[in-house]
Amino acid sequence: EPEVTQTPSHQVTQMGQEVILRCVPISNHLYFYWYRQILGQKVEFLVSFYNNEISEKSEIFDDQFSVERPDGSNFTLKIRSTKLEDSAMYFCASSVEARPQHFGDGTRLSIL
Amino acid sequence: KNEVEQSPQNLTAQEGEFITINCSYSVGISALHWLQQHPGGGIVSLFMLSSGKKKHGRLIATINIQEKHSSLHITASHPRDSAVYICAVNQGAQKLVFGQGTRLTINP
Repeated sequence: EPEVTQTPSHQVTQMGQEVILRCVPISNHLYFYWYRQILGQKVEFLVSFYNNEISEKSEIFDDQFSVERPDGSNFTLKIRSTKLEDSAMYFCASSVEARPQHFGDGTRLSIL
Repeated sequence: KNEVEQSPQNLTAQEGEFITINCSYSVGISALHWLQQHPGGGIVSLFMLSSGKKKHGRLIATINIQEKHSSLHITASHPRDSAVYICAVNQGAQKLVFGQGTRLTINP
């Protein structure tokens, strides 16, 4: 069965550094998402992306965050200047319209 | 107040027991999802519901739109069912709003 693939599985970065999290969505999917889960807390929506632009974003998704689909397969989340509170598990997901979202296994981001 | 509330937060049961996890929501939704999160962190979609009832193997999900309530049932529970079960709702077409999850432990 097709899968959403996320790399790396664990990223350790110094505070203030830029980080890029990578995702390869399922190939025929049209909608792409990023979520985060701070340790011990619930999963939170960050952003959705459709037709090469952001379709919705949460208040968490401020100017420090950006998303990009640089080619036909990858979908990236960039955090420009990381803070300690950005430490979390970041999940990518993709879907075909209203179909269930398929999640990747997540990237654990640790900010030191 | 959270838009999506789950109960219980933690549930421990013996193998073979019938399990029910509840979800209430306070917002208008286009669909409700039940998700499973394993200890490693990965999230798997179990069901997407907009009305009625769905069954997959030993799992059954129901939704009552008028009461803004959904339940996830597991029949003949097994230790491999141990995971965090998450209720999430679609507000509009895309954005998912998540509950805090129910940690289920099934003892052999």
